[in-house]
Amino acid sequence: LAKTTQPISMDSYEGQEVNITCSHNNIATNDYITWYQQFPSQGPRFIIQGYKTKVTNEVASLFIPADRKSSTLSLPRVSLSDTAVYYCLVGVPNRDDKIIFGKGTRLHILP
Amino acid sequence: SQTIHQWPATLVQPVGSPLSLECTVEGTSNPNLYWYRQAAGRGLQLLFYSVGIGQISSEVPQNLSASRPQDRQFILSSKKLLLSDSGFYLCAWGRGSYEQYFGPGTRLTVT
Repeated sequence: LAKTTQPISMDSYEGQEVNITCSHNNIATNDYITWYQQFPSQGPRFIIQGYKTKVTNEVASLFIPADRKSSTLSLPRVSLSDTAVYYCLVGVPNRDDKIIFGKGTRLHILP
Repeated sequence: SQTIHQWPATLVQPVGSPLSLECTVEGTSNPNLYWYRQAAGRGLQLLFYSVGIGQISSEVPQNLSASRPQDRQFILSSKKLLLSDSGFYLCAWGRGSYEQYFGPGTRLTVT
């Protein structure tokens, strides 16, 4: 499993776009990048998954450069309710039976 | 649609008492099942995972055990609880695809 590095915490303000970057220098050819969101007292929730370039859904966008050694989760126009911990994970879907959550990035949205 | 249930929602147990937490999944068959623990202010720790009935992989050697008596039932047990067993216990299901779905969790306090 490729190791990931992401900031421990970030602050931002309501209405701003927030970008959380994850480094995964040892990503393997078959690895995908997956992001989860966890609110207090809840389990993590799958947000988005991608392999290369850009993926967008109703919640976020995921930008992956050509070398795939990093990725950026972009949250458009955040609100207070986006305050959560965000986890970046790297591995092979449909092969890896387990995933290991790191410490994640604690995002705090200020009014 | 798939649903995952966990109970109880909260539990207060004395040190040395036994533990049984149950998780069931509806709406899917042969899922991968997972038990995680999150201590206060800390990250998610994978405890056990199962890819089929009777197949349990342990990630953390300790006084906990897990069983999968039926396809969609996953049970976490302990014969004698320790203070350090306190935490937020989460069950999840997935298909090995890095897309896991978490239950509502059980908050366990060992006194």
